[in-house]
Amino acid sequence: VQLVESGGGLVQPGGSLRLSCAASGFTFSTLGLSWVRQAPGKGLEWVSSIANDGTTYYADSVKGRFSISRDNSKNTLYVQMNSLRAEDTAVYYCVVATEWWSRLDYWGQGTLVTVSS
Amino acid sequence: EIVLTQSPAFQSVTPKETVTITCRASQNIGSALHWYQQKPDQSPKLLIKYVFESISGVPSRFSGSGSGTVFTLTISSLEAEDAAAYYCYQTSGIGLPSFGQGTKLEIK
Repeated sequence: VQLVESGGGLVQPGGSLRLSCAASGFTFSTLGLSWVRQAPGKGLEWVSSIANDGTTYYADSVKGRFSISRDNSKNTLYVQMNSLRAEDTAVYYCVVATEWWSRLDYWGQGTLVTVSS
Repeated sequence: EIVLTQSPAFQSVTPKETVTITCRASQNIGSALHWYQQKPDQSPKLLIKYVFESISGVPSRFSGSGSGTVFTLTISSLEAEDAAAYYCYQTSGIGLPSFGQGTKLEIK
């Protein structure tokens, strides 16, 4: 299993960014996928998950601002992040769960998003 | 929402010691509790699933126990490579998933 995130960078408060996660090594369309983030020097925070049927879930801290999606034809997971705030600054990890709504089995290396003026 | 509280937040131990990290849930989460290890500048790694079930490739000195609201991760015969942050994570379905705040383990 390989998960490679991209799209991180520096963005101003109120701005937008889209992260991508290219996946390989498993049958992408059959598994649930998630984003987990980690602010600098802080702990892990579950952000969002998308089931294999496209059902989505969001943490209260990002609901209404972030949108998770998947393209099964490209084996790619996305998260569109709008109205970004300083507190969204974090490393964002793409994660796959081999069993839905269960442990997070495989993690990408993460991509850093910095929200600052 | 389920709140997971880990203790201690930090612990400094010597090699060959045994350490226990506790994770307390704000509600009964049954056995939907998993443990992760995160070494500096690395992605988290799954250590234990469903309270006590082992993960292939993880040393047998890592073990888990508990049920309901109190869970423990025990690391026996600590080695220098066990220096890391440890997180519990619940997927009970009572609200959304959540992590504990983490326990940083320092090996003297």
